[in-house]
Amino acid sequence: AQTVTQSQPEMSVQEAETVTLSCTYDTSESDYYLFWYKQPPSRQMILVIRQEAYKQQNATENRFSVNFQKAAKSFSLKISDSQLGDAAMYFCAYRTLNSGGGADGLTFGKGTHLIIQP
Amino acid sequence: DAGVIQSPRHEVTEMGQEVTLRCKPISGHNSLFWYRQTMMRGLELLIYFNNNVPIDDSGMPEDRFSAKMPNASFSTLKIQPSEPRDSAVYFCASSLRATQYFGPGTRLTVL
Repeated sequence: AQTVTQSQPEMSVQEAETVTLSCTYDTSESDYYLFWYKQPPSRQMILVIRQEAYKQQNATENRFSVNFQKAAKSFSLKISDSQLGDAAMYFCAYRTLNSGGGADGLTFGKGTHLIIQP
Repeated sequence: DAGVIQSPRHEVTEMGQEVTLRCKPISGHNSLFWYRQTMMRGLELLIYFNNNVPIDDSGMPEDRFSAKMPNASFSTLKIQPSEPRDSAVYFCASSLRATQYFGPGTRLTVL
């Protein structure tokens, strides 16, 4: 079974600074997807960024970027120029490619609570 | 575009009562997922459907839980009878390809 580990229960960063959230995973699959979701106090799950395992290039979305190390099974999220609105729980998630072409469920890490200091 | 719609947003019930949670996926999406979030266990996949067919219900905790998807635009998750340990936030998500989009969740409290 796949597992996702987020070793940082809580992180704190000064506004406008850069912070990196860690995630490691365990799988025997070669093709899969990795995601970072954000959950603010409203509890809505919001997609931050997605990475396909077959792509060597790291995904970026504005101030958010990932460092995907497939051999090390590591998938960290870097947030640049942190803003107060970035304060939330961040979840790393994994999804396999279904051989039948359908979708599989997500396996989530336990989350990292990100605090932004003004 | 409307996102995933869940109802009710909050549900408070007493132990032993039947609870039905509802979900309308994003139009055109062919996969639907039910997740549960608790402090102790985090986010867990309960069941998912592809093209309205249940594919994997191994995450459903007990026979008290059941889920249906009678058509492409509606799904229900039912708990009967409910117990206090079922208190959690229940999320529905839908997808067409790789990315799952989540509804706002239903906060269930069983007294």
